[in-house]
Amino acid sequence: KQEVTQIPAALSVPEGENLVLNCSFTDSAIYNLQWFRQDPGKGLTSLLLIQSSQREQTSGRLNASLDKSSGRSTLYIAASQPGDSATYLCAVKEYGNKLVFGAGTILRVKS
Amino acid sequence: GAGVSQTPSNKVTEKGKYVELRCDPISGHTALYWYRQSLGQGPEFLIYFQGTGAADDSGLPNDRFFAVRPEGSVSTLKIQRTERGDSAVYLCASSFSYGKDNEQFFGPGTRLTVL
Repeated sequence: KQEVTQIPAALSVPEGENLVLNCSFTDSAIYNLQWFRQDPGKGLTSLLLIQSSQREQTSGRLNASLDKSSGRSTLYIAASQPGDSATYLCAVKEYGNKLVFGAGTILRVKS
Repeated sequence: GAGVSQTPSNKVTEKGKYVELRCDPISGHTALYWYRQSLGQGPEFLIYFQGTGAADDSGLPNDRFFAVRPEGSVSTLKIQRTERGDSAVYLCASSFSYGKDNEQFFGPGTRLTVL
């Protein structure tokens, strides 16, 4: 059974700092990996989607990498801002089309 | 509408009652998914539909949970004899079609509280 783990569970950084969120998964037979952002009381906003054949994706200040063979992904956030404060979720899509999520990393960026 | 919508946004009920949660997918999306998110956890898969039929209901926790999508658009998640452990945020997502390359788009969720 696929298990997704995110480290750290929570992170507090000063504004302007670069940071890395980690995600690991136990079964490398995935179609893709996706990073989401969730604000309190809201749904999920997709940030980046990496297909299994890709190594990384970039969008603005965000960069996500994928090492499928080792079961790891990282989300790099450059020059963090208070508006980046949210919960970040990692999910893998496996055979059967369902997403398997990690528990998330709660990020707080202090101004 | 432009995105996935869910109603109600909040539902408070008493233990033992019956509840229905509704999801309106993005127009034209044939695949629809339900997930449940407990406090401090990531969403967990419940069921997904391709068209009108449930293609995978392996995530439904027990027979108190049931979902329908009679016309291949709107879906209703039904919970009978609610228990306090059913309290969670229920998320709905849709995608253009079934397939590994189709991205799922999520609604804002329904927060269910069972007293």
